Amino acid sequence: DAGITQSPRHKVTETGTPVTLRCHQTENHRYMYWYRQDPGHGLRLIHYSYGVKDTDKGEVSDGYSVSRSKTEDFLLTLESATSSQTSVYFCAIRGSNYGYTFGSGTRLTVV
Amino acid sequence: GDSVTQMEGPVTLSEEAFLTINCTYTATGYPSLFWYVQYPGEGLQLLLKATKADDKGSNKGFEATYRKETTSFHLEKGSVQVSDSAVYFCALSRDNNDMRFGAGTRLTVKP
Repeated sequence: DAGITQSPRHKVTETGTPVTLRCHQTENHRYMYWYRQDPGHGLRLIHYSYGVKDTDKGEVSDGYSVSRSKTEDFLLTLESATSSQTSVYFCAIRGSNYGYTFGSGTRLTVV
Repeated sequence: GDSVTQMEGPVTLSEEAFLTINCTYTATGYPSLFWYVQYPGEGLQLLLKATKADDKGSNKGFEATYRKETTSFHLEKGSVQVSDSAVYFCALSRDNNDMRFGAGTRLTVKP
């Protein structure tokens, strides 16, 4: 399986603070994705990247920004965290078989 | 837009029982269809996929057939084990830049 790691695994932050989540891959895949997982909603796409400095919005992008300055790293930033952004965040990469490989997730709690 | 609907859970079965988890989709064109599995505390793992009508995806005793006439991709397994307890997600991707997921179905298998 492709190497993909997310950090941190857990984070508690206060409302109004900025938060950055990191996704790191070791397989040189072009496409990377950020999803959030909430009960009853499955996974919803926040942003994705199709190359260095090339990103686009997904279904639920409001309040989030991303950056990809290197192939291996895809950062997700919550510009000013709100309680509605309490969720589990997953990073994914697209492999050659068109299936996605997911990281282990970051559980974010905004208090 | 594209969407996936899967049967609501939770589903509880006894070991060696037959499993069916229903999944239907709405999409234009010819999407690829996927089943993912999520074990507790982990990210999603690709279980199986099918890329065109009448294809059957299979893995670890699970199988699903791409039925375009009924827009369905139901997951089946002939004899479930306790280790199959997990959350199962049906998903579709039309252009591989936006994987759409169902809400997930939690399966619990009792000894």
